[in-house]
Amino acid sequence: SQQGEEDPQALSIQEGENATMNCSYKTSINNLQWYRQNSGRGLVHLILIRSNEREKHSGRLRVTLDTSKKSSSLLITASRAADTASYFCATGGGSEKLVFGKGTKLTVNP
Amino acid sequence: NAGVMQNPRHLVRRRGQEARLRCSPMKGHSHVYWYRQLPEEGLKFMVYLQKENIIDESGMPKERFSAEFPKEGPSILRIQQVVRGDSAAYFCASSPNSRGRETQYFGPGTRLLVL
Repeated sequence: SQQGEEDPQALSIQEGENATMNCSYKTSINNLQWYRQNSGRGLVHLILIRSNEREKHSGRLRVTLDTSKKSSSLLITASRAADTASYFCATGGGSEKLVFGKGTKLTVNP
Repeated sequence: NAGVMQNPRHLVRRRGQEARLRCSPMKGHSHVYWYRQLPEEGLKFMVYLQKENIIDESGMPKERFSAEFPKEGPSILRIQQVVRGDSAAYFCASSPNSRGRETQYFGPGTRLLVL
């Protein structure tokens, strides 16, 4: 069964704007991860946030986690054309399988 | 340190043929995972292996699909008697056998097209 559900399914913004993507999940988690996939490529790990963390930063990325609402958000600030990709949240990992949502397709227009 | 390697990158098969997909994990990683991605979809887990052992195959179709990770050599995902519905991108991921292994590192994928 699908654990993560991202929204929106697609997002189109101008370069320099911020992009926010949301992810909801169903069961309790130990951590939540965000991945990026460029068209026709494999997945690149962006950031992992543990269940006891509320916010995490990495460069232009900011991830929040609200375990009471079973939701997470990924914020990309000052977006660039190179950020154009699909973004997936995933729960699990380690000795567990990763369970992915369907992803948010982000287009950053120059 | 080379990343996860998969080959071939593209594979075309006719219905009824066999497909063999290979995955070499990152150096020092002993956990391998296979995922399948249909167009416009997220990745779906298929199987999790450690050296010579299948740990979790709950996502593997019951028939025609098998996976192995031998003591020596790459992990192999084998699809027998392929059908058009097997057309998809197949991704392999690996993680280390140590602290911090929640993160899985993905290969570039094998895109299988069944004619």
